[in-house]
Amino acid sequence: AQTVTQSQPEMSVQEAETVTLSCTYDTSENNYYLFWYKQPPSRQMILVIRQEAYKQQNATENRFSVNFQKAAKSFSLKISDSQLGDTAMYFCAFSATSGTYKYIFGTGTRLKVLA
Amino acid sequence: EAGVVQSPRYKIIEKKQPVAFWCNPISGHNTLYWYRQNLGQGPELLIRYENEEAVDDSQLPKDRFSAERLKGVDSTLKIQPAELGDSAVYLCASSSNRDFTYEQYFGPGTRLTVT
Repeated sequence: AQTVTQSQPEMSVQEAETVTLSCTYDTSENNYYLFWYKQPPSRQMILVIRQEAYKQQNATENRFSVNFQKAAKSFSLKISDSQLGDTAMYFCAFSATSGTYKYIFGTGTRLKVLA
Repeated sequence: EAGVVQSPRYKIIEKKQPVAFWCNPISGHNTLYWYRQNLGQGPELLIRYENEEAVDDSQLPKDRFSAERLKGVDSTLKIQPAELGDSAVYLCASSSNRDFTYEQYFGPGTRLTVT
C-alpha cells in the first residue's frame, strides 16, 4: 500500500525568504505522479506543482520547485521569495498511473509567511 | 470555465439526522471523488467514480453513507443517520483521464457540524 508522510506539521518563514517543505512516500509502483497542493484558509485546494516519476528533471513553476529523489522516495517543495499569499496548508499527494489509480494525501504542513 | 460546484457550503444538524451533499464536477470530467477532511488533516478518499460506476468505495462506511452519480455527471453523498464523528469538511473533486496529468480539481467543500 502507498503511504505519504509529511513530518512538519507547521512551519513559518519570513516574507521574501526561502522555505522547504518535506515529503516522503512509499510505493512499489514504478509509474506514478507526485503533487503538491495548496489549501489557503477557507479556500479551495489548488495544484501547486506536479512531478512525473519517470522524469529525472525536477519540476519548476515560477517560485515553486521540487527536489525529487526517487531512490530515497523523497519529494520536497521549495518556495522561493515567500509571499504573504503563500500562507496555507500544503499537502503532498501521490497517484499511481495504473491499477487502482489511488490518490493518497499526506497530513499536511501549515505554512505561515510572516511580514 | 466553471469549477467544481458543491452545495451546501455549511450544514449544521443534530446527530441521528440525515444529510446530503451535492457536487457538480467540471464539464467533461469523467472521474469524480468524494473526500472527507478532518480538521488539520489531509483529505481521505470516500469514493471514486469513473462515469457512473463507483470503482473504489472501499473507504466508504456503507452502514450509514451512500453515494450516487446518476448519468455520470453530478453526484450526491448522503449520511443517514449522522454521528458526532461525522463532523468534517466533505470535499468533491473531479479529473479527466484524457489529459494524463492526474490533476484533481477541488470544490470549496461542505463543512458539516453534527451536534
